[in-house]
Amino acid sequence: GDSVTQMEGPVTLSEEAFLTINCTYTATGYPSLFWYVQYPGEGLQLLLKATKADDKGSNKGFEATYRKETTSFHLEKGSVQVSDSAVYFCALSDRAGGFKTIFGAGTRLFVKA
Amino acid sequence: EADIYQTPRYLVIGTGKKITLECSQTMGHDKMYWYQQDPGMELHLIHYSYGVNSTEKGDLSSESTVSRIRTEHFPLTLESARPSHTSQYLCASSPRELADTDTQYFGPGTRLTVL
Repeated sequence: GDSVTQMEGPVTLSEEAFLTINCTYTATGYPSLFWYVQYPGEGLQLLLKATKADDKGSNKGFEATYRKETTSFHLEKGSVQVSDSAVYFCALSDRAGGFKTIFGAGTRLFVKA
Repeated sequence: EADIYQTPRYLVIGTGKKITLECSQTMGHDKMYWYQQDPGMELHLIHYSYGVNSTEKGDLSSESTVSRIRTEHFPLTLESARPSHTSQYLCASSPRELADTDTQYFGPGTRLTVL
């Protein structure tokens, strides 16, 4: 079945450091790919998405490119802020799976001032 | 901005009590979901609904039940709470429109503690 694997956390960075959180997936069809973010005490919210190969999703300085050849969707940000401290979830949704969303295990990010 | 609400936000109860966690959305979304989130942050789908009078069990076995009598309302009930039910419960919804049907909109969650 479909699955999502993301790097284990926690990831601890200093403010203004470069961020990469790796995410790879397996899917039988052509899924849409997502990054969701969960701030402390809140539910998840959509950060960015990409619906087909080579699409780049971007939002709030975060970017991720849908790489079909490597089945990856790595999240990057050039300069993190303390306010980016949160848990990040990679996810996929596939029409073949009835659009049910498969989430990765989440990666906790701590950014120090 | 998503409009999906969960009440209560926090609940501490004793073993054996019956509880209902409320979830409502004002976006007219057909699809709604309940997830259980463990302390390690991983999400487990426990119930979902594709419309009124439609409910299905998710990937994680759960002793809870759900109902979908109205589009906007998707409550989750535990008939007899146990300490093993202690967790964070997240409700989500998604629209029917094909361009956005794969995006989920989450409520703020209910943190349940069973003593």
